[in-house]
Amino acid sequence: NAGVTQTPKFQVLKTGQSMTLQCAQDMNHNSMYWYRQDPGMGLRLIYYSASEGTTDKGEVPNGYNVSRLNKREFSLRLESAAPSQTSVYFCASDRLNYGYTFGSGTRLTVV
Amino acid sequence: LAKTTQPISMDSYEGQEVNITCSHNNIATNDYITWYQQFPSQGPRFIIQGYKTKVTNEVASLFIPADRKSSTLSLPRVSLSDTAVYYCLVGNNNAGNMLTFGGGTRLMVKP
Repeated sequence: NAGVTQTPKFQVLKTGQSMTLQCAQDMNHNSMYWYRQDPGMGLRLIYYSASEGTTDKGEVPNGYNVSRLNKREFSLRLESAAPSQTSVYFCASDRLNYGYTFGSGTRLTVV
Repeated sequence: LAKTTQPISMDSYEGQEVNITCSHNNIATNDYITWYQQFPSQGPRFIIQGYKTKVTNEVASLFIPADRKSSTLSLPRVSLSDTAVYYCLVGNNNAGNMLTFGGGTRLMVKP
């Protein structure tokens, strides 16, 4: 099915470990986004990429890096995980006038 | 980025019409209004988008007054499966649109 695919779905990290969250979309969308959602809260934008080759900071970028590998893929990296980064991470892409399409999320726990 | 205000929660019964109002007093001229639905453990799902007056699709209607400082999402004849969090977002449709998700409205539909 067309859409946004995120991997992994679940991950447990120890404090200080690093990892990369993968995201791919097959809808030929130009813009892609990474959000985090803490329990009972709304989504907060971490980074976004308006087009291939560009990335910009969102509301909460500290502790994260991103790479827009090509038009399809947008990865999020945690270089040194902290317990405060325990959250559900959502990747999204969008096409003008048709809203965002979100992935199913990555549930990350940092212990 | 335009800030939005929605009720934190609402209760309804199956078969009723539900209206959720969102305030966005500082909406900009080129901003659109978009509503998303989120079920537990899933990413948000696009419901409807509008600029002014009324928009209707197979799922919902969106009413926007002339001053555009508020909008109302109308869900006809809700069912138990409509129990979810509903987010109102305001932003333009340029590439890399940084949408800000507020806390949303938790709709509980009772039998």
